[in-house]
Amino acid sequence: AQSVAQPEDQVNVAEGNPLTVKCTYSVSGNPYLFWYVQYPNRGLQFLLKYITGDNLVKGSYGFEAEFNKSQTSFHLKKPSALVSDSALYFCAVRDMDNYGQNFVFGPGTRLSVLP
Amino acid sequence: GAVVSQHPSWVICKSGTSVKIECRSLDFQATTMFWYRQFPKQSLMLMATSNEGSKATYEQGVEKDKFLINHASLTLSTLTVTSAHPEDSSFYICSALHGYQPYNEQFFGPGTRLTVL
Repeated sequence: AQSVAQPEDQVNVAEGNPLTVKCTYSVSGNPYLFWYVQYPNRGLQFLLKYITGDNLVKGSYGFEAEFNKSQTSFHLKKPSALVSDSALYFCAVRDMDNYGQNFVFGPGTRLSVLP
Repeated sequence: GAVVSQHPSWVICKSGTSVKIECRSLDFQATTMFWYRQFPKQSLMLMATSNEGSKATYEQGVEKDKFLINHASLTLSTLTVTSAHPEDSSFYICSALHGYQPYNEQFFGPGTRLTVL
């Protein structure tokens, strides 16, 4: 079965500092990985995805994520955090080799960027 | 591309009434849409998978007679909360699948805040 873990409920970082939001996953086949951001009372906005290729994926708003197959991780990063990055972040995975499988979302990590 | 809308964005209703929420794919056809429920500061809970022209597939623990889903066209799925009660108050989000297997992905609507008094 597929699963996604986001080990941190909350991440606090000072504005201008680098940020990392962690995600680990479990699938039996090859993973199709996503990061989404959610602002209060809004739907999910796509940030980036990984299917294959370069392990470092660049996405929207200066975010990037690094796929690590051996550690089954897909951590979200940004070199310099902004206060406006404060939001709820979700990691999601789908098993590429089992088409009938739905997308599975992690529990979410709340990012607070302090001015 | 790939825009999904939801209507209404918020709704307040009295206990015992029914509420319909619409999810539309604006610039693509979606044979599959998903309905999620989200409690405050929590993750998304998948309620059901809506397939155009067929019955929805409900997740375990979701009452299909309570949450009626209709996917009558390739651009519209509706969720009707029947005989709503205060415990049904929540944020409901839909998404639509776009693209081809296995590279298709979900595009999300902006959500609907339901408050049942």
